[in-house]
Amino acid sequence: QQPVQSPQAVILREGEDAVINCSSSKALYSVHWYRQKHGEAPVFLMILLKGGEQKGHEKISASFNEKKQQSSLYLTASQLSYSGTYFCGTPNNNAGNMLTFGGGTRLMVKP
Amino acid sequence: DGGITQSPKYLFRKEGQNVTLSCEQNLNHDAMYWYRQDPGQGLRLIYYSQIVNDFQKGDIAEGYSVSREKKESFPLTVTSAQKNPTAFYLCASRTVGNTIYFGEGSWLTVV
Repeated sequence: QQPVQSPQAVILREGEDAVINCSSSKALYSVHWYRQKHGEAPVFLMILLKGGEQKGHEKISASFNEKKQQSSLYLTASQLSYSGTYFCGTPNNNAGNMLTFGGGTRLMVKP
Repeated sequence: DGGITQSPKYLFRKEGQNVTLSCEQNLNHDAMYWYRQDPGQGLRLIYYSQIVNDFQKGDIAEGYSVSREKKESFPLTVTSAQKNPTAFYLCASRTVGNTIYFGEGSWLTVV
């Protein structure tokens, strides 16, 4: 089942912060985060493997709450280069650990 | 450099024609995947393969076929049975640590 992302879209000014949420109706054991620029392939940002784990990539960090079956991506002091669509993905252990992706969150950072 | 190579980048298909998208990886990954992405949408799994000579249908396999004769190669054929094939196609492979990396994608348009 597809994880649910919110919000669907965010518009920010450069330097502002944003939070993107990813929640699942089934138990989560890991969450993957990707960023995709228009017309390009998704680029891996980070994977969270344990409940409560937090990781960072540049000024982007993420948390994983296994009990609540959700993960959040935090974009701090956003830069123009952060613009794109962010996807969370959760593994489907019954299908070769392939990732089922959320619908995506479109982030636009304006000067 | 190691990576996933997809070709062609752009492809046009006439009605009733079969076309094949190539995907080659030199990362020595066992698992490979094909995803489809429609404009403004998320990624949906077409087929996946966990090992040579084995592959499984994903969520939207109808109208597509694959083969996995070599570890490095996982070509996708879009058959004439796929009535709405215009989309962005992404090939991916998975590391031992379950991180999934994508190729640069192929744009398929029906003319």
